[in-house]
Amino acid sequence: AQKITQTQPGMFVQEKEAVTLDCTYDTSDPSYGLFWYKQPSSGEMIFLIYQGSYDQQNATEGRYSLNFQKARKSANLVISASQLGDSAMYFCAMRSNTGGFKTIFGAGTRLFVKA
Amino acid sequence: DADVTQTPRNRITKTGKRIMLECSQTKGHDRMYWYRQDPGLGLRLIYYSFDVKDINKGEISDGYSVSRQAQAKFSLSLESAIPNQTALYFCATSDNRDNLSDGYTFGSGTRLTVV
Repeated sequence: AQKITQTQPGMFVQEKEAVTLDCTYDTSDPSYGLFWYKQPSSGEMIFLIYQGSYDQQNATEGRYSLNFQKARKSANLVISASQLGDSAMYFCAMRSNTGGFKTIFGAGTRLFVKA
Repeated sequence: DADVTQTPRNRITKTGKRIMLECSQTKGHDRMYWYRQDPGLGLRLIYYSFDVKDINKGEISDGYSVSRQAQAKFSLSLESAIPNQTALYFCATSDNRDNLSDGYTFGSGTRLTVV
């Protein structure tokens, strides 16, 4: 069975510091994609970053980077230079062929950025 | 107009009532999904449809039904609402390509409260 695990229900970070949000996944499919989404207090879901299982380099998008460790089946999100507007819920998600190209989500991590 | 529109945005209904949540999209995507979000559980798939004639149950379909009226419209019904169906409901769409990197386009969500 495929599964996404986010073990940090809540995280605090000081403004301007970096923070890592953990995500581990389980799949037997060699081909899969990993996503991170941000959900601010307004409720909408915002796509942040994507990593393919065959990508050789870690994905980066501005202040977001994905620390992909395939052997460990982890896909941690790193946010550099945290801003107050980064306070939100963050979801790790996975999509695969054997999953029928549906996306499964982790339970989420709520990030609080302190001024 | 938003690419994926959900109506209503908020709804309070009584136990036992039938309620329909509607989703329409202008993305031209064939694939549409209904998820519910609960605290500590992330997003869980209720139903999905890969084209107008294709409807599939997700992991938590009991108590729900769907209708795919057209490529652009996918409705979720609660035949007899119960309090534990109180949640934030998301409609999402994706391209019909079997491409792992194709993320979802989400609607803004419907916050449903069953009293």
